[in-house]
Amino acid sequence: NAGVTQTPKFRVLKTGQSMTLLCAQDMNHEYMYWYRQDPGMGLRLIHYSVGEGTTAKGEVPDGYNVSRLKKQNFLLGLESAAPSQTSVYFCASSYPPSGRPQETQYFGPGTRLLVL
Amino acid sequence: AQKITQTQPGMFVQEKEAVTLDCTYDTSDPSYGLFWYKQPSSGEMIFLIYQGSYDQQNATEGRYSLNFQKARKSANLVISASQLGDSAMYFCAMRGSSGGSNYKLTFGKGTLLTVNP
Repeated sequence: NAGVTQTPKFRVLKTGQSMTLLCAQDMNHEYMYWYRQDPGMGLRLIHYSVGEGTTAKGEVPDGYNVSRLKKQNFLLGLESAAPSQTSVYFCASSYPPSGRPQETQYFGPGTRLLVL
Repeated sequence: AQKITQTQPGMFVQEKEAVTLDCTYDTSDPSYGLFWYKQPSSGEMIFLIYQGSYDQQNATEGRYSLNFQKARKSANLVISASQLGDSAMYFCAMRGSSGGSNYKLTFGKGTLLTVNP
């Protein structure tokens, strides 16, 4: 059981370049999430998905797009990277929390992105 | 809207002593869950403990316990017998129960704990 994996682990981009971050989970979770972590800010939700083929905006969605074509994968795209998107990106997954209030989210190891 | 406040940017504790990390929250949801996560320097997020708003007893998990005071809206993490490996960033998070908040976790800004030998 690999849990939640993220690819790549680290990436340097130039302003204006695009890239896709891949998240994969093998726990058959319905829900998947993308967060960003900035110094002194905690984790903030970018986008999330409650099932295959569905996505929704979180707290800080601007400049990002996502897709969930397969249940086990959740992709985060940056179409035109900006220095403000320099951050550590975490993917997480969980079962639907309804009826399982103690259900935690399981986090991937993170992707460090530097935009120059 | 939900809010988590962690007022201690950094804390120091001597090895083998107990330490309390503060967390206060604000929500209008009738029921909610509170979580604590540990983030060591390696970066991964590790789930530590959960407390439900209607749980009668404070949650405990090994050396971790949660001092839940609902009237004060506080959910402090207590680590007993601190170890060097406890040095990490600790995040408090909440999940609500209303339609727009029953899936997402709202995080505090974290407390950096340093355990001194």
